[in-house]
Amino acid sequence: AQSVTQPDIHITVSEGASLELRCNYSYGATPYLFWYVQSPGQGLQLLLKYFSGDTLVQGIKGFEAEFKRSQSSFNLRKPSVHWSDAAEYFCAVGAMYSGGGADGLTFGKGTHLIIQP
Amino acid sequence: SQTIHQWPATLVQPVGSPLSLECTVEGTSNPNLYWYRQAAGRGLQLLFYSVGIGQISSEVPQNLSASRPQDRQFILSSKKLLLSDSGFYLCAWSPLAGGLLQFFGPGTRLTVL
Repeated sequence: AQSVTQPDIHITVSEGASLELRCNYSYGATPYLFWYVQSPGQGLQLLLKYFSGDTLVQGIKGFEAEFKRSQSSFNLRKPSVHWSDAAEYFCAVGAMYSGGGADGLTFGKGTHLIIQP
Repeated sequence: SQTIHQWPATLVQPVGSPLSLECTVEGTSNPNLYWYRQAAGRGLQLLFYSVGIGQISSEVPQNLSASRPQDRQFILSSKKLLLSDSGFYLCAWSPLAGGLLQFFGPGTRLTVL
């Protein structure tokens, strides 16, 4: 079964500092990887996705993530955070079966990002 | 472009009362549709998904049910709410078979008293 681990429940970063949110997954085949952001009381917004190809993917709002197969990781990064980045961030993984089917997404429990002025 | 709507945005219901939450998608046809529940600090729990009209798969046994009466309409229901049904309910749609890319609605905050 697929699993996603976001080891940091909370992260506090100063405004203007760099950010890295960790995500590790467990799955035998090539995963499809996603990062979503959720502001308080809102739905989830897709930040970026990795399906194949270049392992460094660019997303919206200045975020990027790097797929590292050897480490089973898909960490989210941003070079300089803004106060508006304060939110909950979710990593998700999905996979295609050999027969072409798929079984939806498995989500991590989220990382709460706090921005200090 | 595609948009997804959920209503109501917030709901306060007494224990034992019925529930009906609605989700509709615009700008696409034959989407895969999903209901998730998000409890504080517990991430997202998939409740139901649907690949077509009248086709519902349940992931977690509970007192909730789902229906898909139209292609772009997904309804979450309960005959009698429990305190434990409180939470944030999210609907999502996917253009891909297997749901590998999902787009979420704004959610419904349900409080059961």
